[in-house]
Amino acid sequence: QVQLQESGPGLVTPSETLSLICTVSGGSITNYYWSWVRQPPGKGLEWIGYIYHSGRPDYNPSLKSRVTMSVDTSKSQFSLNLSSVTAADTAVYYCATYRFGKKVFDPWGQGTLVTVSS
Amino acid sequence: QSALTQPASVSGSPGQSITLSCTGTSSDIGGYNFVSWYQQYPGKVPKLIIFDVTSRVSGVSNRFSASKSGNTASLTISGLQSEDEADYYCCSYTSTSTLVLFGGGTKLTVL
Repeated sequence: QVQLQESGPGLVTPSETLSLICTVSGGSITNYYWSWVRQPPGKGLEWIGYIYHSGRPDYNPSLKSRVTMSVDTSKSQFSLNLSSVTAADTAVYYCATYRFGKKVFDPWGQGTLVTVSS
Repeated sequence: QSALTQPASVSGSPGQSITLSCTGTSSDIGGYNFVSWYQQYPGKVPKLIIFDVTSRVSGVSNRFSASKSGNTASLTISGLQSEDEADYYCCSYTSTSTLVLFGGGTKLTVL
């Protein structure tokens, strides 16, 4: 069973870049699409983007200008960079397996809270 | 593109049946059978419970059922139990550049 674990700073300064890594275990990173979803405190889920190890990533148009995702197959990791962050980017960030054929997110990582504050 | 529309809250008594709605457009719910539902307890990770509009994930109680009519998807929970109290999110593929849409979520309270 695929398992995912997010890692990265819990505090980011406004205008800086938020960087997170998701480590995949229990399955090959080349077999699936990988995604990031975030959830601001007390609010709903927002899809950020997904990526395949050998393809062009797709991003939520609302974040596209600030988002970069990549896959490192040698480390079985994929990453998220979100630039020019503001307080509105404060959220729990989840990495998840995106089952492309079914268009579902399963399983998910435990999530990591990232706070944007000076 | 805006998120799918879900009622902010729904409540029911133990043993009752309740239905949560999720409204989209012909570009998402109405046009494709890629509607899924997620259950999330406070402070916990979202859990996939329904995919392909009506298919229940293995291990999910058969008290959970789902359907779609036009641009609206529905999740029905029968024989409501206290353990069903959670937030529920619908999700759909969309043919627009947004690709993936979540609903705003419905908080289910079991009275």
